[in-house]
Amino acid sequence: EDKVVQSPLSLVVHEGDTVTLNCSYEVTNFRSLLWYKQEKKAPTFLFMLTSSGIEKKSGRLSSILDKKELSSILNITATQTGDSAIYLCAVGGATNKLIFGTGTLLAVQP
Amino acid sequence: KAGVTQTPRYLIKTRGQQVTLSCSPISGHRSVSWYQQTPGQGLQFLFEYFSETQRNKGNFPGRFSGRQFSNSRSEMNVSTLELGDSALYLCASSLAVRGSGEKLFFGSGTQLSVL
Repeated sequence: EDKVVQSPLSLVVHEGDTVTLNCSYEVTNFRSLLWYKQEKKAPTFLFMLTSSGIEKKSGRLSSILDKKELSSILNITATQTGDSAIYLCAVGGATNKLIFGTGTLLAVQP
Repeated sequence: KAGVTQTPRYLIKTRGQQVTLSCSPISGHRSVSWYQQTPGQGLQFLFEYFSETQRNKGNFPGRFSGRQFSNSRSEMNVSTLELGDSALYLCASSLAVRGSGEKLFFGSGTQLSVL
């Protein structure tokens, strides 16, 4: 059965810290891995990684896909209180549906 | 361009009742997916519709059903509500059916509470 596991489940950091969120997956015929940020209700898209694009960067956020280790990391540098949210990892495979992990709850304290 | 719109935002029902949730996708998007989100379980896939046809279905009982109209708007119905159905129900739209690498755009969800 396809599975996506995120770690840690939650973490608390202080403004200015750097955090690394992890996502590992077991998916048949991997197609893509996506990261979303969920602040209140609607998850918003951050990155999509595929075999042809294993590293993405946008401002203080960056993500890398390791197809050998079947995992991805999301890095956030110089964290701000506005980064506080649930970060969701989702993987698409042969079933043509996105499988989501349970998310990492990030709290950034001033 | 307007985003994905879900109505109602909040809903309170009692056990045994049924409920219908609505989702209007982004203009031009033909694929609509539904997810259930509960604490500790994350987002669980319910079903996906494309051009009025159900293309994919998750592991939910038959009490959960959906449909899509010719204008791509979608509805989800839950019959004989149970306490465990209390959750945030998220709708997402995309240009094409998943599998082509399309990313999903989510609505703000309907928070359903079953008493």
